[in-house]
Amino acid sequence: DAGVTQSPTHLIKTRGQQVTLRCSPKSGHDTVSWYQQALGQGPQFIFQYYEEEERQRGNFPDRFSGHQFPNYSSELNVNALLLGDSALYLCASSLLSIKSSPLHFGNGTRLTVT
Amino acid sequence: GQQVMQIPQYQHVQEGEDFTTYCNSSTTLSNIQWYKQRPGGHPVFLIQLVKSGEVKKQKRLTFQFGEAKKNSSLHITATQTTDVGTYFCLSSKAAGNKLTFGGGTRVLVKP
Repeated sequence: DAGVTQSPTHLIKTRGQQVTLRCSPKSGHDTVSWYQQALGQGPQFIFQYYEEEERQRGNFPDRFSGHQFPNYSSELNVNALLLGDSALYLCASSLLSIKSSPLHFGNGTRLTVT
Repeated sequence: GQQVMQIPQYQHVQEGEDFTTYCNSSTTLSNIQWYKQRPGGHPVFLIQLVKSGEVKKQKRLTFQFGEAKKNSSLHITATQTTDVGTYFCLSSKAAGNKLTFGGGTRVLVKP
């Protein structure tokens, strides 16, 4: 039973470029949430996807967008990268039908913007 | 917006001693979850509290939800080196379902 998988594990980009991060949820889960975690900080909620639609969004600019596919996997896209976008990006999956279903996190993608 | 404050930010504990980390909200919460993140790892779910005044135990860990459902605590007894990591609370506001992590308590254990 595979857990949450994220790719790539590490990524180095230049300011102004665009990046796509990928996530496959835990088997049986239908909801994917994305978090940004800066060094030494708590994860900050970016958005949540369910049934291929963005259901909730945190305080992130429109440069951050996402997508969920019919197989529940998800992508996070960031356009016009800034140095401040350097962080660990975590994907978490859960089951929407279970109220306050615990989040299962992937190992994250470490993004460095130079 | 919802504010979730977690204190202390850092905790240096002598092996064998006890410590407590607190999570405080400015608004009433519908529930609270606790996660542990080891250095270089990802957050791992520990427990969820839902009811006012609820207390749950996991071996040396005791979790409590305040009567007013605005705060929570995690108490670890007889700290071990395996307890090293950052402990986060994750809360959901009573009105609405937006999830918010606290800033975390980074725990270092001195052998």
